[in-house]
Amino acid sequence: NAGVTQTPKFRVLKTGQSMTLLCAQDMNHEYMYWYRQDPGMGLRLIHYSVGEGTTAKGEVPDGYNVSRLKKQNFLLGLESAAPSQTSVYFCASTYDRRGHLPSYNEQFFGPGTRLTVL
Amino acid sequence: EDQVTQSPEALRLQEGESSSLNCSYTVSGLRGLFWYRQDPGKGPEFLFTLYSAGEEKEKERLKATLTKKESFLHITAPKPEDSATYLCAVQASGTASKLTFGTGTRLQVTL
Repeated sequence: NAGVTQTPKFRVLKTGQSMTLLCAQDMNHEYMYWYRQDPGMGLRLIHYSVGEGTTAKGEVPDGYNVSRLKKQNFLLGLESAAPSQTSVYFCASTYDRRGHLPSYNEQFFGPGTRLTVL
Repeated sequence: EDQVTQSPEALRLQEGESSSLNCSYTVSGLRGLFWYRQDPGKGPEFLFTLYSAGEEKEKERLKATLTKKESFLHITAPKPEDSATYLCAVQASGTASKLTFGTGTRLQVTL
């Protein structure tokens, strides 16, 4: 099992450019999440999905869009990148806790994508 | 609004010098409190989940405890390989398993 993988690992963009970050998981998890991590701010939730074809906003959704066309993939898009979006982006996934023991509810994280917007 | 505060922000210990990290939280209906370890340049790695006040869990030199307002991560006789950032997060009931994270405690263990 590869777990949670993220593509790309690093990227540099110019202001106004667009890009898509890809997250893939092979654990058959229902729930997937996108976070950003900035110094002194901790991990903040951008968007999340509770199943294929469904998405919802998290704490800091502005400037981002997401799609979950397949259960194993969760895409994060930046339509017009801004310097404020310079950050490290993490994807995570977990089981739908309904029907599972509580101990299966931890989120599994990917290795991250380091994005710089100039 | 759910909130998590971790202290101290940074901690430097000598090998073998035991200490505790604190995680204070406010949440509407705690479903679980999670501890993660994060190494530089990597994603968070799950350590423990605690569900109710009084619960304790251990893993090697780490022991996590939970009260109604805070959690402690006790590190007994730490080694340099325990150096990392330790993150605390809470999960509220009925929130699609979303987590609210603290800003972490950066631990450095020296020889």
